[in-house]
Amino acid sequence: EAAVTQSPRSKVAVTGGKVTLSCHQTNNHDYMYWYRQDTGHGLRLIHYSYVADSTEKGDIPDGYKASRPSQENFSLILELASLSQTAVYFCASSDYYAEQFFGPGTRLTVL
Amino acid sequence: QQNVQQSPESLIVPEGARTSLNCTFSDSASQYFWWYRQHSGKAPKALMSIFSNGEKEEGRFTIHLNKASLHFSLHIRDSQPSDSALYLCAVSGGSALGRLHFGAGTQLIVIP
Repeated sequence: EAAVTQSPRSKVAVTGGKVTLSCHQTNNHDYMYWYRQDTGHGLRLIHYSYVADSTEKGDIPDGYKASRPSQENFSLILELASLSQTAVYFCASSDYYAEQFFGPGTRLTVL
Repeated sequence: QQNVQQSPESLIVPEGARTSLNCTFSDSASQYFWWYRQHSGKAPKALMSIFSNGEKEEGRFTIHLNKASLHFSLHIRDSQPSDSALYLCAVSGGSALGRLHFGAGTQLIVIP
């Protein structure tokens, strides 16, 4: 079974602070993704990457940066956290046009 | 830009009922069509996929795809309380570069 892990699993941050969410996959997948999910709603793509050292903007990239230092690792950075960024964040990995495997999620609360 | 819409937003059905969930998409060049299921507090997980027009059945679940109508659906036969979850449709291919476009989801509740 594919394995995607995320850290931390939950985080409380202050407005204006910096937050880094980390994702690690052991699937040998080229593609990695960061989504946010607001309560009871679908997934919105923030950033994704199909090769190390390169990232692409998704549908809602404003206020977020991404970093892909290796095939296995993909980070999401909130330089100046805001109240509106309170959400659950999911990382996923996949092969090209194949099933996406999701991590367990990180619950972020910005106060 | 791909636009994926799901209906209904929520659905409550009795145990044993046949349930139908719908998904429409806007990019006629789309190639891959997925249903993901997310139980409360858990990560989404792929349920089924279809890549060509027609129907595909796996156990109690059936996907139907009509590319000409820009529509695909998920049908659940003999719905069980354990089927209660958020169902997300997703589409890839066309102008996308390996990414999925997700719908907003249908919240299904199956009453025992």
